[in-house]
Amino acid sequence: GENVEQHPSTLSVQEGDSAVIKCTYSDSASNYFPWYKQELGKGPQLIIDIRSNVGEKKDQRIAVTLNKTAKHFSLHITETQPEDSAVYFCAPEDSNYQLIWGAGTKLIIKP
Amino acid sequence: DARVTQTPRHKVTEMGQEVTMRCQPILGHNTVFWYRQTMMQGLELLAYFRNRAPLDDSGMPKDRFSAEMPDATLATLKIQPSEPRDSAVYFCASGTDPTEAFFGQGTRLTVV
Repeated sequence: GENVEQHPSTLSVQEGDSAVIKCTYSDSASNYFPWYKQELGKGPQLIIDIRSNVGEKKDQRIAVTLNKTAKHFSLHITETQPEDSAVYFCAPEDSNYQLIWGAGTKLIIKP
Repeated sequence: DARVTQTPRHKVTEMGQEVTMRCQPILGHNTVFWYRQTMMQGLELLAYFRNRAPLDDSGMPKDRFSAEMPDATLATLKIQPSEPRDSAVYFCASGTDPTEAFFGQGTRLTVV
């Protein structure tokens, strides 16, 4: 089955700086790669996703890049703000079209 | 503003008691998921329904857990009897396909 790893598990950055979280996966049949954000006391919410026919996708301050050959995709957040503090999950789909969740990355934005 | 609604938000119960958690998926969504989240195990998929039919409940302890969809507007997750190790946050999510998941706010269950 799909093996998913996220790095780092915790990331602390200064407000205004950039943050990058990486997700590696094992199933070469994966074609869908989403990132979710979970704020304290809430359920995860989809913030950006990418499909395998695209290398990069941007939405304002967030972007996702995909390297299918190396089987990893990354979340990039620029000009970080306090409201970006949360836990971020990658959840690539497996060959059964199910989302397989990473362990999460706690992002801390220091004022 | 369409959202997944879960009740109750918090539940404290004694070991051995029955617990029922409810979920109202977003209208028009035909896929419903139940997840459990703990610090140790992260997010675990317990059950997955498509058009109200259970497609995958391999992640659910069958001896004490059961999940049903009595109708398209209600999904339930029941634990009987509950145990302290069941303490976790239980999330319901809905979507229009298996890779789409809109999550509810969760039910925080504490079994003492």
